Amino acid sequence: DAKTTQPPSMDCAEGRAANLPCNHSTISGNEYVYWYRQIHSQGPQYIIHGLKNNETNEMASLIITEDRKSSTLILPHATLRDTAVYYCIVRVVHYNTDKLIFGTGTRLQVFP
Amino acid sequence: DGGITQSPKYLFRKEGQNVTLSCEQNLNHDAMYWYRQDPGQGLRLIYYSQIVNDFQKGDIAEGYSVSREKKESFPLTVTSAQKNPTAFYLCASSIVGQDTYGYTFGSGTRLTVV
Repeated sequence: DAKTTQPPSMDCAEGRAANLPCNHSTISGNEYVYWYRQIHSQGPQYIIHGLKNNETNEMASLIITEDRKSSTLILPHATLRDTAVYYCIVRVVHYNTDKLIFGTGTRLQVFP
Repeated sequence: DGGITQSPKYLFRKEGQNVTLSCEQNLNHDAMYWYRQDPGQGLRLIYYSQIVNDFQKGDIAEGYSVSREKKESFPLTVTSAQKNPTAFYLCASSIVGQDTYGYTFGSGTRLTVV
């Protein structure tokens, strides 16, 4: 199963873009990259996902490298409410298997 | 509103006792999952089920048991065989094989063994 590697922590000034990197060098061709975030003692919240192409939604943008070995989550204008742990996850889907494999995540601290 | 309900939010258990955590969803999702989270750590998969009356072990199934008698419900029993059960437990659900919004998570149950 593919695994992900993320920096343990990052800081970002409020109003600036937060760029969170993720390495998934062992990802297979049909495995999606998902991003979730978790605020303390709550369930993870879906942010965005992608396979090959860059994706954007109302929360964030996802940039995936052409070789798919890494990706970057971009929060364009970080706010204090974006302080959370961000998980880059590979979704493994086989014949009778569909599961998310979590890493340890990046703790993002947004400061005023 | 559709969602996943986990109960109770906090649970205390005496050492050596079994305890069952509830997870119910009204999203009509096929698959349901149980994850465990320890302080400062990511989520680890305990069990998952993609269809009623069928389930598979995840990475840390020892000391846990599950059942899936109804599509909406996926209770997790933490048995006395689980050596270190104090943790935050999260339940999730998804539509099998459909690339939509991934998983929907509940708000979790924090289990403490006293």
